[in-house]
Amino acid sequence: IAGITQAPTSQILAAGRRMTLRCTQDMRHNAMYWYRQDLGLGLRLIHYSNTAGTTGKGEVPDGYSVSRANTDDFPLTLASAVPSQTSVYFCASSDGVGTGELFFGEGSRLTVL
Amino acid sequence: GQNIDQPTEMTATEGAIVQINCTYQTSGFNGLFWYQQHAGEAPTFLSYNVLDGLEEKGRFSSFLSRSKGYSYLLLKELQMKDSASYLCAVRDSNYQLIWGAGTKLIIKP
Repeated sequence: IAGITQAPTSQILAAGRRMTLRCTQDMRHNAMYWYRQDLGLGLRLIHYSNTAGTTGKGEVPDGYSVSRANTDDFPLTLASAVPSQTSVYFCASSDGVGTGELFFGEGSRLTVL
Repeated sequence: GQNIDQPTEMTATEGAIVQINCTYQTSGFNGLFWYQQHAGEAPTFLSYNVLDGLEEKGRFSSFLSRSKGYSYLLLKELQMKDSASYLCAVRDSNYQLIWGAGTKLIIKP
């Protein structure tokens, strides 16, 4: 089934640990995004990539890093997790054609203790 | 600053009609999106407006007035499965999406 796959779906993590959230898409979309979603707030963009080999900072990039070695994969790394990074993380992609609508993965629920 | 406003929560009755409003103030405008998000799931695309007027898609319609910075999502013949959060998002002059906090719609029998 075509789409975006995120892993893990849920994770509890001790503060100070390193964590990588994985995201893979098989739609050959050029653009990919990482958002976090917190109660009472809109989706907030962490990092994005318009095409393989390029990345950019979003609204809330501090404490996060990304890479885009190829079209399909866009991992998000928390170098040293802090409790304020407890959130639901969504990976999304867009082909940039027509409306440029986003296709979302199922989300990764991360709890930092 | 950039801002998207939508009601936090709305309640409606099965079979009725509900209108969810969204007002925005952004740096430029390159389209407005509505997404549906069921609890614990990912957002899914509902509609896109870039020109003024009404876009109809089955039971759902979306309206845009760029001069007023205003949009609404109209849901007709409400069904229990329409219970979800509805997210309004505007694409700004840099082609970045600015998201509202979402409107939680509760459908009662």
